[in-house]
Amino acid sequence: EAGVAQSPRYKIIEKRQSVAFWCNPISGHATLYWYQQILGQGPKLLIQFQNNGVVDDSQLPKDRFSAERLKGVDSTLKIQPAKLEDSAVYLCASSIDRSTQYFGPGTRLTVL
Amino acid sequence: DQQVKQNSPSLSVQEGRISILNCDYTNSMFDYFLWYKKYPAEGPTFLISISSIKDKNEDGRFTVFLNKSAKHLSLHIVPSQPGDSAVYFCAASGKGDTGNQFYFGTGTSLTVIP
Repeated sequence: EAGVAQSPRYKIIEKRQSVAFWCNPISGHATLYWYQQILGQGPKLLIQFQNNGVVDDSQLPKDRFSAERLKGVDSTLKIQPAKLEDSAVYLCASSIDRSTQYFGPGTRLTVL
Repeated sequence: DQQVKQNSPSLSVQEGRISILNCDYTNSMFDYFLWYKKYPAEGPTFLISISSIKDKNEDGRFTVFLNKSAKHLSLHIVPSQPGDSAVYFCAASGKGDTGNQFYFGTGTSLTVIP
């Protein structure tokens, strides 16, 4: 079974630039999550999709972050414009139920 | 508001001894708890979980204990091996109005000394 795929693995941008991350969840997983993990902290949920609908985006900074899930499968997370404090690892995860989540390798973003 | 807390940022244990990682939570609506292991440059991987209807779950060298009255859970690794050196995250799940949600602690970095 293929795992959760994410790209790119690393990204370095200047502040005020835009960036996009891509996630392909495990086939058949209806729920998809995007997390932000700042160094030394645990993953923080940004947005949760159930199929292609948003079920929780309460912690997503909507003035600069946006996300979509195409046809209930792949998802993209965009930051526009980026700030220094957005430097973090962005993790995508998918799940069938509450028994577990499967995480991708993450995208490490550095904003200079 | 940190609903899941891991108060020990790091732990060092000799190989062959027991490692005990602790986690506390504040939300009594949580009814499912998970432990994840994370190596550098990789995403977290699922290790073991426990439902709130149980107080213990065992899988090989890993055992998770849940004390609901104290809102506390712990992960025991016996015996500890050098390959267990990683960051361990505790997570809790609850059935909210918006579906399945997971809340993570800040992690404990375990070092197993050969």
